[in-house]
Amino acid sequence: ILNVEQSPQSLHVQEGDSTNFTCSFPSSNFYALHWYRWETAKSPEALFVMTLNGDEKKKGRISATLNTKEGYSYLYIKGSQPEDSATYLCAFSNDYKLSFGAGTTVTVRA
Amino acid sequence: KAGVTQTPRYLIKTRGQQVTLSCSPISGHRSVSWYQQTPGQGLQFLFEYFSETQRNKGNFPGRFSGRQFSNSRSEMNVSTLELGDSALYLCASSLQGMGDPTDTQYFGPGTRLTVL
Repeated sequence: ILNVEQSPQSLHVQEGDSTNFTCSFPSSNFYALHWYRWETAKSPEALFVMTLNGDEKKKGRISATLNTKEGYSYLYIKGSQPEDSATYLCAFSNDYKLSFGAGTTVTVRA
Repeated sequence: KAGVTQTPRYLIKTRGQQVTLSCSPISGHRSVSWYQQTPGQGLQFLFEYFSETQRNKGNFPGRFSGRQFSNSRSEMNVSTLELGDSALYLCASSLQGMGDPTDTQYFGPGTRLTVL
């Protein structure tokens, strides 16, 4: 069983502030890391897929970095807005399956 | 393009019964994966079907089974339901599925199963 860990489990951020959180995964046999955003009452939605060490992806105010050698990825939200409130999931792709972390739930306070 | 659909959206069953959940993938997608989500747990991988063949299976008992039809629609069956099977069941479709680690999965809205 692959151990994908996300921290913190939840966080609250004031509107306009920036925040970041972590996904840790096994550093061996790395193929790809996925980030998903899951808003309440909706389906998980893909944000990024990352494959290369040092990779950085950006989508609007959200960006992610990847360190495959040490087995972690950071997701950053710049200038948080209420619509950023969601659970952010990372998933490690290996051996014909995706192993998900338990997620980081972000609540943006107006 | 229509998204992934799942039916039913909500289901209430009693212990010992069996249940069948359905998933219709995005047109053209050949892979369907199933996941279970319970409170405090991440999405737990159940199995993946690609071109009507189960390609991989997670760590779930044999009471959990599935199949895929020639039109890529998939069904998941749980027999002899237990209280612990209460969960949100999500399916996801993709073009190549787990055969391509970079392939994006598109999720359905889920079926909320409650076992009493």
